[in-house]
Amino acid sequence: DGGITQSPKYLFRKEGQNVTLSCEQNLNHDAMYWYRQDPGQGLRLIYYSQIVNDFQKGDIAEGYSVSREKKESFPLTVTSAQKNPTAFYLCASSSTGGFTDTQYFGPGTRLTVL
Amino acid sequence: AQSVTQLDSHVSVSEGTPVLLRCNYSSSYSPSLFWYVQHPNKGLQLLLKYTSAATLVKGINGFEAEFKKSETSFHLTKPSAHMSDAAEYFCVVIPSGSARQLTFGSGTQLTVLP
Repeated sequence: DGGITQSPKYLFRKEGQNVTLSCEQNLNHDAMYWYRQDPGQGLRLIYYSQIVNDFQKGDIAEGYSVSREKKESFPLTVTSAQKNPTAFYLCASSSTGGFTDTQYFGPGTRLTVL
Repeated sequence: AQSVTQLDSHVSVSEGTPVLLRCNYSSSYSPSLFWYVQHPNKGLQLLLKYTSAATLVKGINGFEAEFKKSETSFHLTKPSAHMSDAAEYFCVVIPSGSARQLTFGSGTQLTVLP
C-alpha cells in the first residue's frame, strides 16, 4: 500500500528536551511538508522540501529543524527553543513541488510537553 | 496577501438533509481552492479542488463546490448528509503566481444528527 506514515502517534516530552517526529512516504513524491495544527485553527506550514537535500522555511519555522537526506523521509525536530510545542503535527507530500498539487497527509503525531 | 474565511465554526444538520459549508477567500490573483476533510485524530483527506477549469467541482463522497469569482466564494455542498460525514472541514486557498503561499481556513466542524 502506498502512503505516508508518521510515528509515533502520541509523543510526550519534558520541557527543555528536543524531540524528533518521523515522516516516511512510499509514493515516490518529490515534495514533503510539515504542518502544525492547534485547536480551533487551520494548519500552519512549518517547513517544506521540494527536492532531496533542500528545504525551505514556512510561516512558523522558529524552534523547528528538518532534514531531507532521502526522498522518502522528512523528519522534524522540535527543539527546546520552541516556546509552545504542544500541538498536532501533520506531514504531507505531493508529487512535485507545486503547491497546487494535491497534498496527501499522514495520520499525524500528537505532541504533548509535560 | 491572501486569506480564507470559513464563515461557520460549527454546523449541525440532520441525516438526510443538505449540507452547506461556507468559504470566502481574498486573493490578488486567480486562486486554486481546495476542500479537505479531517476525521478525529486523523490526517487530512482531499475532497475536491478547483484550479481554473470548470467552476462547479465534484469531489468524493457526493460533495461538490462552486467557485464564484464575483462573490469570492467556494462553498461546499452535499444534497444529503450521512452520519459518516461528521468531521472537520478545511477550505484552502493558493493564489496563482505566488511564492507558494498556502493558507488554510480555521475549519468548520460538521455534526450530523440522527
